[in-house]
This record gives sequence, structure tokens and C-alpha cells, in this order.
Amino acid sequence: AQSVTQLDSHVSVSEGTPVLLRCNYSSSYSPSLFWYVQHPNKGLQLLLKYTSAATPVKGINGFEAEFKKSETSFHLTKPSAHMSDAAEYFCVVSVPFTSGTYKYIFGTGTRLKVLA
Amino acid sequence: DAEITQSPRHKITETGRQVTLACHQTWNHNNMFWYRQDLGHGLRLIHYSYGVQDTNKGEVSDGYSVSRSNTEDLPLTLESAASSQTSVYFCASSELGSNEQFFGPGTRLTVL
Repeated sequence: AQSVTQLDSHVSVSEGTPVLLRCNYSSSYSPSLFWYVQHPNKGLQLLLKYTSAATPVKGINGFEAEFKKSETSFHLTKPSAHMSDAAEYFCVVSVPFTSGTYKYIFGTGTRLKVLA
Repeated sequence: DAEITQSPRHKITETGRQVTLACHQTWNHNNMFWYRQDLGHGLRLIHYSYGVQDTNKGEVSDGYSVSRSNTEDLPLTLESAASSQTSVYFCASSELGSNEQFFGPGTRLTVL
């Protein structure tokens, strides 16, 4: 069965310090993995995606994620947090479903708080 | 520019009423999805469609229905709204054979 586990429901960091949001997945297939960000009362914005290309994957706003097959992980990092990074982050695995289609499996989200 | 829109963006209704949330995409995508977002659960799949006249139940489909009469639209209907259906609802679409979905802005539904 396919699943996504975000290991921390809340993460707090000080502005200017590194960010690490952890995601482990379980998939019977070679996965396609995504990170989305959701700012308060906003929709989902794609941060980055991994689809069997080079890793680490670079995304928007200085975020990066590394796919580690041996650890079944896809952790999201940023060298220096900014106040505007405060948001909810979702790790997603896209898995084959039927007839060449795919479905998303979402993690439960990590709320990032950035302290001044 | 192609896009995916949802309406209304906010809705307050009463228990027992029928409610329909609209989703419209202009990408000509075959696949469309409805999710609900609740604290501690992330996004959960309600219904999905892989083409006109095709609809399928997701993991939390009880109390919801969809119909797909054209490529662009997948309306979500709550037959008899319940307080447990207070949530934020997201529509998404994807191309046939693509592993990436594109999301609408969401509809916040409150059932009193």
C-alpha cells in the first residue's frame, strides 16, 4: 500500500536558520514526489517535484528536496528561513492507478512557524 | 491563460440543505478530482473522474456525489449537508497520463 508520513506536525525555527521538513513514503512503484505549500487561507502552491530526474530537486523560494530511495525519504530543506515561509507544507506521492492514470496521496501536513 | 476555478469561494448553509460546489477548468484535462481538507488529515479524496460520464468514489465519498457531463466541469453535490461536512474543498485536474495535478483556489464551506 502507498502512504506518506510527515514526521512532524509542527516545526518552529528562527528567522535566518535552516529549515528541515521530513517526509517518508511507502510505494510499490518508483514514486513521483511533490512538496506543496499552503499559506493561511490560500490554495496549494507547488514548491517542487521529483520524477526520477536528478536529486536534489530545486524548487521555488530557495527550497530543495532530496530523494533517498534507500531511506524512502523526501525531506524538504531551506538554508535560511524567512518570515514569509510560515505556512503549511504537504508532501505528496503520485502513484499509478488505472489505465495510465495517477492518484495523489497526501501527507497530513507540517505547519512551519518562523520566529523573529 | 488556462486555469481552474471554483465557486463559490465561501458558502454558509444549514444542515439538511443541498449544496453544489462548482469546479471549472480550461486546460481540457481529462482527469478531475475533489478533495476535502481537514486539520490533522491533509487532503482526502472525495470523488474523481477520468473523463466525460466517468465518476468514481474516493476514500471519503459518503454524502457526496459528482457528475461529469463535459470535459471542463465537475460539480460536487452534498445531497443533505451535515455539520461534519464543514471543510475546505479543493478541486484539481490533470492531463491524461500525467502524474501531476493542478489545484483550484478552494471553497470554504460551513454547515450550521
